[in-house]
This record gives sequence, C-alpha cells and structure tokens, in this order.
Amino acid sequence: GENVEQHPSTLSVQEGDSAVIKCTYSDSASNYFPWYKQELGKRPQLIIDIRSNVGEKKDQRIAVTLNKTAKHFSLHITETQPEDSAVYFCAASMWEYGNKLVFGAGTILRVKS
Amino acid sequence: ETGVTQSPTHLIKTRGQQVTLRCSSQSGHNTVSWYQQALGQGPQFIFQYYREEENGRGNFPPRFSGLQFPNYSSELNVNALELDDSALYLCASSPRGGRGANVLTFGAGSRLTVL
Repeated sequence: GENVEQHPSTLSVQEGDSAVIKCTYSDSASNYFPWYKQELGKRPQLIIDIRSNVGEKKDQRIAVTLNKTAKHFSLHITETQPEDSAVYFCAASMWEYGNKLVFGAGTILRVKS
Repeated sequence: ETGVTQSPTHLIKTRGQQVTLRCSSQSGHNTVSWYQQALGQGPQFIFQYYREEENGRGNFPPRFSGLQFPNYSSELNVNALELDDSALYLCASSPRGGRGANVLTFGAGSRLTVL
C-alpha cells in the first residue's frame, strides 16, 4: 500500500523567512496530494492541494510543487508569520478512493518573532 | 452551513470495554470517514462509509466497526479496548464524486484514553 514520508519532523524559522516541508510517496498510482494544517488542540484543515496533472499550485503565501517522476511533493510557505506555527501534514491518495488519505507523520513548524 | 461535529470530546475507558463515538457530517456531504491519530503522528485511515455501507477500510482489526445512518451521520464502535487504542479519533466528511470529493472536512475529534 501507499507510504508517505515527511521531513523535517520539526522546523524553526524566523518570522519573514521561508519554510519548506518535503514529502515522498511510494505508490505511483496516487494522484491527489493535499496539505493539512493542525493547530494545537484543533482539527486538521486543508490549506492547499494538488493533483498529479499539475506541477505547481500557489495560493497567496503558500505553494505546493509535485514531481511525479521522483514521487515527491513539497509545501512552500513564504514570508512566514507567527500564526503559521502549527503541525503540517502531507497526504496522498488516489482520487478514485475518496476519503482514504495516507498521511505523513507531520512537521511541527515554529515561527519565531 | 454546519461543520462536522463529534461527540463525546473526551472519554476514559478501561481495557476490555467498548466505546461508541458519534459524528454528524457537514451539510451536503454524504461520505464519512474515520481516522485514528495517535499522539505525535499523522491520522491513519480506519474506514469510509457511503450510502450506509463500508466503502474502504484501512489496516484495522474487525473490533473496529462502524455505521452510517440515512441522515449521513456515523458511529465508530471499538470493542475489547486495548491500551494502544488511546488516540484522537477524527471523523471527516466529504461530498461524493466530482470536484471536492477528496477534500475532507474534519471534526474536532474525540480523545479516547484507555487505562
């Protein structure tokens, strides 16, 4: 089955700097890759997603890139702010399998002001 | 439009007991899935329900079972509780098919502690 690895496990950046989180997946059939943000004690919330027919997607300060050949995808956050501090999870799935997402172990992002 | 609601928010059980967790899906969503999130880890897929039937299952034993009701709400039942079942149980809903089918809306979770 699918396996998703996520790095780094923790990341500290200075406010205003960029943060990059990387994930690799094992199943070449996966075609949907969302990123979720989970603040302490709160529910995971989708922040951006990408499908395998697209190489990059941006939404304001957040972008995701996908390399299907290498089977890895990355989250890029520019101009980080203290409110970006949270745990970020990448996930992979096959679009046809609905809700069955395979998540990475998460990255704790700390933005220091 | 209401979001995904789960109950109870916290509960404590002892080994061998049984537990039922409940979830109301977001308005307009007809697919519900359950995830187990152990401390410091990512959510793990337990199963998905659509049209009141299990429609996909992760690597969890049969003592994890569920139901979906005609109003799309759902229950997760865990029998013969083990210490390792201690976790945050997340319910997520989504519309079936078409754009947004994989976009999960999560509830706040039910924190289960097994002693």
